Amino acid sequence: DQQVKQNSPSLSVQEGRISILNCDYTNSMFDYFLWYKKYPAEGPTFLISISSIKDKNEDGRFTVFLNKSAKHLSLHIVPSQPGDSAVYFCAAVGSNYKLTFGKGTLLTVNP
Amino acid sequence: KAGVTQTPRYLIKTRGQQVTLSCSPISGHRSVSWYQQTPGQGLQFLFEYFSETQRNKGNFPGRFSGRQFSNSRSEMNVSTLELGDSALYLCASSYTGASPQYLDTQYFGPGTRLTVL
Repeated sequence: DQQVKQNSPSLSVQEGRISILNCDYTNSMFDYFLWYKKYPAEGPTFLISISSIKDKNEDGRFTVFLNKSAKHLSLHIVPSQPGDSAVYFCAAVGSNYKLTFGKGTLLTVNP
Repeated sequence: KAGVTQTPRYLIKTRGQQVTLSCSPISGHRSVSWYQQTPGQGLQFLFEYFSETQRNKGNFPGRFSGRQFSNSRSEMNVSTLELGDSALYLCASSYTGASPQYLDTQYFGPGTRLTVL
């Protein structure tokens, strides 16, 4: 049973436009959420996080939105750049501090 | 400062063999976590060690085990390898804390690519 789902395996956007990556979760005990970026042959790199007590967190070009009632979060990247092309993972954690990951979305930003 | 290092980077084994993977955390980090990444299951948490003790464990069979040494270096062992164990094994290190925010400063190594034939 997949508790964190990223339903879009891939997303393609034009440079300068907005990229929106989505993530759904089923476990209501999750209270902290993170987004990671992963390039081939490298480990994931932390991007941004959000606590369940917030509905938005912003860091430069990256904004994460959390809708607790819908059990949905999204990552917005504005403006998108070719260097943003990577696999993006959504992850969630509850009181046990075990990270549960989605399967990732491959973002391609075209020049 | 040096990042998380994992050795070896690539490994080929045959079914039934056992394998040991090594992870050296960032200096000063006392928590080491292991993850398995496969195309079918994605990234899955294996276990976490802190101060030489397993503090957290994922849903993997007992063939998967680990340990941590006094210098925080960690090893992961898989016995009686199966074809399905072929995966990228990632190690991550962090300071530890009493809140999940410590995960913001968890750094991953590049991984060990294990192929089981």
